Amino acid sequence: DSGVTQTPKHLITATGQRVTLRCSPRSGDLSVYWYQQSLDQGLQFLIQYYNGEERAKGNILERFSAQQFPDLHSELNLSSLELGDSALYFCASSGGTAGGTNEQFFGPGTRLTVL
Amino acid sequence: GQNIDQPTEMTATEGAIVQINCTYQTSGFNGLFWYQQHAGEAPTFLSYNVLDGLEEKGRFSSFLSRSKGYSYLLLKELQMKDSASYLCAVRDTQEDTGRRALTFGSGTRLQVQP
Repeated sequence: DSGVTQTPKHLITATGQRVTLRCSPRSGDLSVYWYQQSLDQGLQFLIQYYNGEERAKGNILERFSAQQFPDLHSELNLSSLELGDSALYFCASSGGTAGGTNEQFFGPGTRLTVL
Repeated sequence: GQNIDQPTEMTATEGAIVQINCTYQTSGFNGLFWYQQHAGEAPTFLSYNVLDGLEEKGRFSSFLSRSKGYSYLLLKELQMKDSASYLCAVRDTQEDTGRRALTFGSGTRLQVQP
């Protein structure tokens, strides 16, 4: 158990719909990262937040948005869903301090299926 | 940008040793990570290298050569449970923004056979 929690575990929805994925980082971690992993694909970095502020953007579509709240949990919003958005969405957290390993700890993921 | 290459698949025998290579091109290099990922599960951290040389952790070792943009993960005394994907990931840090995101390779699927 990494200490990172994600809900829901599974999500099935239809094209055109909007969903929200939730992540709680490890206690004390300030950085939250979102990744998308499609079938047989590598992990694609979407976005990073640090202590409530957006720090970096990766290959995140305009239909997707995220935020990190004062209690440090984060939500990833996916709208106008398409079949190709079906994937595993992982959240990860790290300490975010200067120096050190700062490895990222991954949550169990949310499996999104768009029908 | 970053470019990370690793073999797609490898097969090895239980009890043997296997080496998984990773080459990368990046600016602002600030560490290379290896993660293990079983199908449908979360990646789990295996090792971290930021300086040249070998880091050993039990049955797993990882090597880094920054000048060559090269790393490998060495797995000894292979067990059936080692069948998984192994992800090489490079971190570059932008000090002005604090960006510390990782760029992952596509992963190497290792199949351990009896």
